[in-house]
Amino acid sequence: AQSVTQLDSQVPVFEEAPVELRCNYSSSVSVYLFWYVQYPNQGLQLLLKYLSGSTLVESINGFEAEFNKSQTSFHLRKPSVHISDTAEYFCAVSERSGNTPLVFGKGTRLSVIA
Amino acid sequence: GAGVSQSPRYKVTKRGQDVALRCDPISGHVSLYWYRQALGQGPEFLTYFNYEAQQDKSGLPNDRFSAERPEGSISTLTIQRTEQRDSAMYRCASSLRQHPSTNEKLFFGSGTQLSVL
Repeated sequence: AQSVTQLDSQVPVFEEAPVELRCNYSSSVSVYLFWYVQYPNQGLQLLLKYLSGSTLVESINGFEAEFNKSQTSFHLRKPSVHISDTAEYFCAVSERSGNTPLVFGKGTRLSVIA
Repeated sequence: GAGVSQSPRYKVTKRGQDVALRCDPISGHVSLYWYRQALGQGPEFLTYFNYEAQQDKSGLPNDRFSAERPEGSISTLTIQRTEQRDSAMYRCASSLRQHPSTNEKLFFGSGTQLSVL
């Protein structure tokens, strides 16, 4: 079975500063990796995903994540954050072959300070 | 509808009562999932459906929990004889493609916050 570890439960950062939200996973088989974001009072939304190909994936709002197989990581980064990025971010994993649904990490609350 | 709709938004009940939580997925979405999210935790898988068939219920905590999707659209999660430990946010999600899929994207509802007193 797979699992996801998000070591940082809260990350405060000043506006326009860079940020990295860490995600490590554990699985005995190949996986797909996802980042979901939850804005206040809303449901989770897919931010970006890694399925295959280039290990660097990007979202439309400036976030990027890099799949590192040797370190079993999928850290999320943004070079310059905005107030509107304040939200909770969840890393998730699913097996490439198999019927297991998405397994989520505990989430990291990003707070952008003006 | 435009998005996944869940009702009620909040549910407060007394211990021992039964509750039914409703999920209305995006029209045409094949798969429907139920997750539970405790405070400070990530969503925890409960069960999922492809069309009306329940494919996996391995995440249901015990036999007090059940779910159905009789016509392959709206789903109901029922908790019988509720206990305080059942208090959590219950989230429903749907996906266009049948699970498992290599391009899975889940669309989540805003959830039902259940409080058992």
